Amino acid sequence: QVQLQQSGPGLVKPSQTLSLTCAVSGDSVSSNTVSWHWVRQSPSRGLEWLGRTYFGSKWDSDYAVSVKSRIVINADTSKNHFSLQLRSVTPEDTAVYYCARLLKKIWSFDIWGQGTMVSVSS
Amino acid sequence: QSALTQPASVSGSPGQSVTLSCTGTGSDIGSYNYVSWYQHHPGKAPRLIIYEVRNRPSGVSSRFSGSKSGNTASLTISGLQAEDEANYYCTSYTTRTLWVFGGGTKLTVL
Repeated sequence: QVQLQQSGPGLVKPSQTLSLTCAVSGDSVSSNTVSWHWVRQSPSRGLEWLGRTYFGSKWDSDYAVSVKSRIVINADTSKNHFSLQLRSVTPEDTAVYYCARLLKKIWSFDIWGQGTMVSVSS
Repeated sequence: QSALTQPASVSGSPGQSVTLSCTGTGSDIGSYNYVSWYQHHPGKAPRLIIYEVRNRPSGVSSRFSGSKSGNTASLTISGLQAEDEANYYCTSYTTRTLWVFGGGTKLTVL
């Protein structure tokens, strides 16, 4: 059974970097049948796709235009986890952050992490 | 503002059917059959209930069905039950930003 376990701080100061990790069990982050995503939810924006990382012939990542200049998503194969880093955060980045697996054969997010509420405040 | 448009709320009585809509554009729903729906109870992880417009994952009740016409996708829940009360989100693959979500519909079972 595939599970995603999120970890990271729930409070980040403005202008600092938000960092979250998603540990994968029951699957390999290096699998080429899936991709690994971060999604956030806020009252003002609903669910917002942030980006993904995946392994095809090499590791690659794609990001939402809204955060492209501030975001990095990458994977650590030795720990079988993937991470989100969002730089220069503002209160607008306050949200519940989810990691999720997209299964390529159904083009859908079939497994989700439990969610992490992150507040940006001094 | 979300890329896909969903009504903010819908309600129905137990046993009734309700249909939730999700309107996009020719760059997302209109061009791809990669529309999926998620049920989200507050405080829990979202749950996939429909993928590729109309397919149900194993374990999802047949009371949930999906369809698409043009730029609009729909989720129908028949035989409404109290446990169906939740937020429902649609998502689609898009040429513009890869994946877009709807703003979500809060379903209330009266």
